[in-house]
Amino acid sequence: AQKITQTQPGMFVQEKEAVTLDCTYDTSDQSYGLFWYKQPSSGEMIFLIYQGSYDEQNATEGRYSLNFQKARKSANLVISASQLGDSAMYFCAMIPSGGYNKLIFGAGTRLAVHP
Amino acid sequence: DVKVTQSSRYLVKRTGEKVFLECVQDMDHENMFWYRQDPGLGLRLIYFSYDVKMKEKGDIPEGYSVSREKKERFSLILESASTNQTSMYLCASSLISGGGRETQYFGPGTRLLVL
Repeated sequence: AQKITQTQPGMFVQEKEAVTLDCTYDTSDQSYGLFWYKQPSSGEMIFLIYQGSYDEQNATEGRYSLNFQKARKSANLVISASQLGDSAMYFCAMIPSGGYNKLIFGAGTRLAVHP
Repeated sequence: DVKVTQSSRYLVKRTGEKVFLECVQDMDHENMFWYRQDPGLGLRLIYFSYDVKMKEKGDIPEGYSVSREKKERFSLILESASTNQTSMYLCASSLISGGGRETQYFGPGTRLLVL
């Protein structure tokens, strides 16, 4: 069965430090996409970063980078230089191969950034 | 910018009532999705639609139905609301893509309380 696992229900980090949020996935597909979304307390889901299974380079978007280890089936999110505004829920998600771009989500990690 | 709007941010209904949640997107996206979000479970797909009048069941369709009469609008219907349907409901839309690279764009969510 296809599944996303986020083993850290909650994390905290000091402002300006880097933090890694873990994500492992389970799929037998060869072609798939991995996403990270941020959900602030306001509730909206904000797209952060995308990694395709055939992408050779790790994805980066500003302070966000995705540490993609295909053999280990992990897709960890690294946030550099944390800011207070980074405090939110973070969800890892996968689109397996096939149609319609259906997302499979993990349970999420709540990140708290302390001053 | 892609904009996905939902008809209500907060809704309180009584058990047995029929509930309509409306979602509108303004980017001509083919795909639209309804998720529910519960603590510790992440987001779970209820229904999705890849075209007008087309719909497919997601992972938890029981107790829900959907309607897509126009491309920009996707409605979620609770035929007879029950207390276990108290949750956060999120609508999303995306383009169709065979490569699975298309990001889903989310609305702000509707927090539904069924008494």
